[in-house]
Amino acid sequence: EAQVTQNPRYLITVTGKKLTVTCSQNMNHEYMSWYRQDPGLGLRQIYYSMNVEVTDKGDVPEGYKVSRKEKRNFPLILESPSPNQTSLYFCASSRGQELSGANVLTFGAGSRLTVL
Amino acid sequence: SQQGEEDPQALSIQEGENATMNCSYKTSINNLQWYRQNSGRGLVHLILIRSNEREKHSGRLRVTLDTSKKSSSLLITASRAADTASYFCAIKTYSTLTFGKGTMLLVSP
Repeated sequence: EAQVTQNPRYLITVTGKKLTVTCSQNMNHEYMSWYRQDPGLGLRQIYYSMNVEVTDKGDVPEGYKVSRKEKRNFPLILESPSPNQTSLYFCASSRGQELSGANVLTFGAGSRLTVL
Repeated sequence: SQQGEEDPQALSIQEGENATMNCSYKTSINNLQWYRQNSGRGLVHLILIRSNEREKHSGRLRVTLDTSKKSSSLLITASRAADTASYFCAIKTYSTLTFGKGTMLLVSP
């Protein structure tokens, strides 16, 4: 089944304890992206990747890191989590995001992170 | 901001009625997409309309796009309780897809 898989789905952690949220897709998609969703703010893009070894900042990249060493994986790293990073995180992928493309995003099920 | 803005923020209707949600944006777009989200779950793509299209249909969904007014509407006809969800428009530019804050639709039996 074509899907985007995120782990963990739920996590409670403490301030300053490094964590990684993994994201993997099995559709050979070039484009991958991370969003966070907060009440009243909708979905905001954190980072995106147009292809392997190519990443770029979205609207809210502060406090996050990403890497794209393989096409299928796009982990989100919180080096020193803080309570304002408590949120619902979504990974998504698509075939591409070029100008002529009409590519749509396939989303993971979400990772609910609480930082105490 | 390229972000689309949905209107209304929340909509409550009875089963069988039609639901209309609107999206306005500020920049030139490549296409506009609508997504659905059931409570706390991942978004699911519903329909895409390109900048040179004015109307598209998919089942009970009808989307219109007016680039001169920078607005789009999503119409769900003959709504069902299972249509209860949040609906988001997303603005597609060259390198990214930017989402609005969504419309929460409640369809009561």
